[in-house]
Amino acid sequence: AQKVTQAQTEISVVEKEDVTLDCVYETRDTTYYLFWYKQPPSGELVFLIRRNSFDEQNEISGRYSWNFQKSTSSFNFTITASQVVDSAVYFCALATGGTSYGKLTFGQGTILTVHP
Amino acid sequence: ETGVTQTPRHLVMGMTNKKSLKCEQHLGHNAMYWYKQSAKKPLELMFVYNFKEQTENNSVPSRFSPECPNSSHLFLHLHTLQPEDSALYLCASSQAQPPTDTQYFGPGTRLTVL
Repeated sequence: AQKVTQAQTEISVVEKEDVTLDCVYETRDTTYYLFWYKQPPSGELVFLIRRNSFDEQNEISGRYSWNFQKSTSSFNFTITASQVVDSAVYFCALATGGTSYGKLTFGQGTILTVHP
Repeated sequence: ETGVTQTPRHLVMGMTNKKSLKCEQHLGHNAMYWYKQSAKKPLELMFVYNFKEQTENNSVPSRFSPECPNSSHLFLHLHTLQPEDSALYLCASSQAQPPTDTQYFGPGTRLTVL
């Protein structure tokens, strides 16, 4: 069975601070994909990144960066110089091989609040 | 319209009402999904359609009835719901290359059952 754990329920930071959101996953499959989504107060889940299990390169996109470490089954997300607009719920998700089309297992989500 | 749209955005209904949620995707995708997001619970996959065929029903009660007339439209028909069905219902779509194609979500319908 697949499982995603986001141990941080809520994080509160002040603008311009760096913040890291943790994600730990469990799967027995050797081929899998990891995702991060952002859910602002409007409700829509916004896709941020997809990473496959064979690509452990870290990725940077503007103020966002992701650290994928298979050795610790973690896929952490860092926001550098946070801004008020980063306030949202962030979800980590896992999809593995099999017959189900894109079946995603989501973590519980981390509520990030960035104060001005 | 772009992306994935959902209507209505908010819905309040009594337990004896019948209503429908609508989802439309403008991305040329072939798979569509319904998710339920309740307070303090992870997102729960409800149904999956691929090329208009239902490929997943995640043990959802029969008071929820999905319909997918074509690859661009997905409906969720609701009848005799319970108060615990109050939640945010999210629709998503993907290109349908299993199992890992990125899913793109709509803004959701906030449902309140009185």
